[in-house]
Amino acid sequence: GAVVSQHPSRVICKSGTSVKIECRSLDFQATTMFWYRQFPKQSLMLMATSNEGSKATYEQGVEKDKFLINHASLTLSTLTVTSAHPEDSSFYICSARDFRARTSGIYEQYFGPGTRLTVT
Amino acid sequence: AQSVAQPEDQVNVAEGNPLTVKCTYSVSGNPYLFWYVQYPNRGLQFLLKYITGDNLVKGSYGFEAEFNKSQTSFHLKKPSALVSDSALYFCAVRRDAGNMLTFGGGTRLMVKP
Repeated sequence: GAVVSQHPSRVICKSGTSVKIECRSLDFQATTMFWYRQFPKQSLMLMATSNEGSKATYEQGVEKDKFLINHASLTLSTLTVTSAHPEDSSFYICSARDFRARTSGIYEQYFGPGTRLTVT
Repeated sequence: AQSVAQPEDQVNVAEGNPLTVKCTYSVSGNPYLFWYVQYPNRGLQFLLKYITGDNLVKGSYGFEAEFNKSQTSFHLKKPSALVSDSALYFCAVRRDAGNMLTFGGGTRLMVKP
């Protein structure tokens, strides 16, 4: 199946600094990518939907100025956590939708391995 | 609005015994239903999905799920559990082809030898 990669897999940063997480679709073009956040022992919370070449759509309660999303190409989306604080520590997972692959009209969606962010 | 409920935070089962992880959903129209598994510090791995057709769906690693429209359920099952099946399992629903996925809260499966 299609592969989605994330880099880095783990990152530790100091409070007040910014961190960029990359999400790449390796063997398909993803016009839409999704960013999720997962707290320990909890479910995935959709943060934003990113469409190539346009501004991301953020879910209610997600600060767009804090979580900057850029989807500049069909294979790359980035999430930048600006001025990170300890409460931003979490597991961030991206997902990419392959518009070429449809089963009964539904687009396939693939998940990256996640990035563990720790803010000290 | 669409929602998914996984009523059990954790399911414990002995190796070799059958397992069931429950999922119920709420969505307008015909649902698209999914099961994913997550191992520690890893992303989600797709197990199986129901789009249309047979109510019993077979997926990866010997898992299967049964779509029950009247009970709005999509329980995950496996005839004989393995210790390596221990992980976090998520049920998800999508309202239509282009709609976003909504995840349940997750169920931790513990299979003991």
